[in-house]
Amino acid sequence: DTGVSQDPRHKITKRGQNVTFRCDPISEHNRLYWYRQTLGQGPEFLTYFQNEAQLEKSRLLSDRFSAERPKGSFSTLEIQRTEQGDSAMYLCASSWAGNEQFFGPGTRLTVL
Amino acid sequence: GESVGLHLPTLSVQEGDNSIINCAYSNSASDYFIWYKQESGKGPQFIIDIRSNMDKRQGQRVTVLLNKTVKHLSLQIAATQPGDSAVYFCAEIKETQGGSEKLVFGKGMKLTVNP
Repeated sequence: DTGVSQDPRHKITKRGQNVTFRCDPISEHNRLYWYRQTLGQGPEFLTYFQNEAQLEKSRLLSDRFSAERPKGSFSTLEIQRTEQGDSAMYLCASSWAGNEQFFGPGTRLTVL
Repeated sequence: GESVGLHLPTLSVQEGDNSIINCAYSNSASDYFIWYKQESGKGPQFIIDIRSNMDKRQGQRVTVLLNKTVKHLSLQIAATQPGDSAVYFCAEIKETQGGSEKLVFGKGMKLTVNP
């Protein structure tokens, strides 16, 4: 399977804990995006990488959130001191330059 | 602020009927729109796109219409099948301050196809 993959698919955590999600984009894609989606809503842009450089961060991305793409391939999204409001589906997408974005299956986070 | 939104939250059709899903956008400067399909437990899947220099674009069983005058976008699905049951989103490509592009999605519309 050469699509975008995300791990884990589901994560249940207690409030205050830290969580980290991983995204593996399509191998030749240089752009990687993170989105957050709550029930019944469309995905909301969080942040964007071109190769290893993080070029854009949404105001939705509070200082508890950090994303990295150290080698320009896979990316991680970490949420520190999780809150119940962080419960959502976290989606990763990748693209080559400005072409079509391919989405992964998402990581569903539940904060108790 | 700018937004992309859908008129109807739910649509139920019979198998074999044609389906029309509508979307309104508010940013008249938008020049690229995409329709996505999202099945339960999966990420959004690209269906079809259209640029602002076009009024209509056809794919396999799908057609997207763009009316720039009223800032309206629609997705037509011909001979709807049970496999078309999903949530559909319209999205707008918007340039960010950093010069990159991000997708701005509207609220989803759930399509249910009854056999």
